[in-house]
Amino acid sequence: ETAVFQTPNYHVTQVGNEVSFNCKQTLGHDTMYWYKQDSKKLLKIMFSYNNKQLIVNETVPRRFSPQSSDKAHLNLRIKSVEPEDSAVYLCASGRGSQNTLYFGAGTRLSVL
Amino acid sequence: QQQVRQSPQSLTVWEGETAILNCSYEDSTFNYFPWYQQFPGEGPALLISIRSVSDKKEDGRFTIFFNKREKKLSLHITDSQPGDSATYFCAAGTGGYKVVFGSGTRLLVSP
Repeated sequence: ETAVFQTPNYHVTQVGNEVSFNCKQTLGHDTMYWYKQDSKKLLKIMFSYNNKQLIVNETVPRRFSPQSSDKAHLNLRIKSVEPEDSAVYLCASGRGSQNTLYFGAGTRLSVL
Repeated sequence: QQQVRQSPQSLTVWEGETAILNCSYEDSTFNYFPWYQQFPGEGPALLISIRSVSDKKEDGRFTIFFNKREKKLSLHITDSQPGDSATYFCAAGTGGYKVVFGSGTRLLVSP
């Protein structure tokens, strides 16, 4: 049963454009994450938020910015996309600092 | 620097056999080890997990064996089924807000 919703499923864009991805969870969790999964399926954490506060901010380019309006929503904006940004972006949620994550289906980004 | 390593990268077993997936880690502060299963087009889903105070965790056909001294784990899938064909990720956490994933093992179960 899906409880972490991501939109869009796919997005194709050109280098230099701005894109935004949305994520919403209905599990009542207070922690949300963005992970990047590359073509080799490697999963790397980008950001984590707890109660709308940025907790983890890995070394990602400054063109990436997370946006949290409330505990249930965590969006991701990429200001000026680069070819290496092509990947699947996975949103996840969890309870507090417990490390059990619930993932959405992902947004696949293709940068031409 | 990869903190969580998995092997093999891919594995093929026959239906009914036991698949063994391996995982090792470097950071001794890791104390929670979830395994995730991912099917194409979906996000990873929690399959089974273990805490470092235990050396074994069983859930149906899935068993985690944990060796804290050697910093190694393995996931055993007994009586493998074609529906088990997926990518399996070993992950590690410290109870903070960061979970580190291995590179995954792609399992194919042939009927």
